[in-house]
Amino acid sequence: GAVVSQHPSRVICKSGTSVKIECRSLDFQATTMFWYRQFPKQSLMLMATSNEGSKATYEQGVEKDKFLINHASLTLSTLTVTSAHPEDSSFYICSASGEVGTDTQYFGPGTRLTVL
Amino acid sequence: GDSVTQMEGPVTLSEEAFLTINCTYTATGYPSLFWYVQYPGEGLQLLLKATKADDKGSNKGFEATYRKETTSFHLEKGSVQVSDSAVYFCSLTGGFKTIFGAGTRLFVKA
Repeated sequence: GAVVSQHPSRVICKSGTSVKIECRSLDFQATTMFWYRQFPKQSLMLMATSNEGSKATYEQGVEKDKFLINHASLTLSTLTVTSAHPEDSSFYICSASGEVGTDTQYFGPGTRLTVL
Repeated sequence: GDSVTQMEGPVTLSEEAFLTINCTYTATGYPSLFWYVQYPGEGLQLLLKATKADDKGSNKGFEATYRKETTSFHLEKGSVQVSDSAVYFCSLTGGFKTIFGAGTRLFVKA
């Protein structure tokens, strides 16, 4: 149980284009989803927290107009990197948390974005 | 603010050696503590957790005890295998925010 998927697993795009990454909880309802960014050989940095049906809460320094997050249902959240640039190349990982009050997060397998 | 500090890697061990990866934390309140493992090119997998002082989390031969008096949550395994080679992250969750340590890379040689 508690499986989280991400799609796509890898994406290569041209500079200036937008890329959408999907995060799905497959066997549970995720009241909260988190988006992280991980640079090579570094830890995860929380980008934003989203609750179903409400606006995402972004961490300091994360541009909300560049990284659009939508949490339209209890099983799906999307991250759209708008007008991507090479410095946006990174490993993006989502996680999902189930019942309200639980603090265990279940992580997706990650999406490697390369912007040329 | 809250923080997590892990021992720097990489840690290189021979198969069947004893493993300890140190993790200490600072936090207000009473956070839950976690260890995650990340294999190359993959996301994080929950390895074990502890939600209150003196709790011991254990899984797949790994264990860690929530020590409030020393604010520590050290990861241990009695006999590592080559397949344990990965990056291990210590983290805490408090107030619905999760903070990760920098990660410790483990190499196990046959």
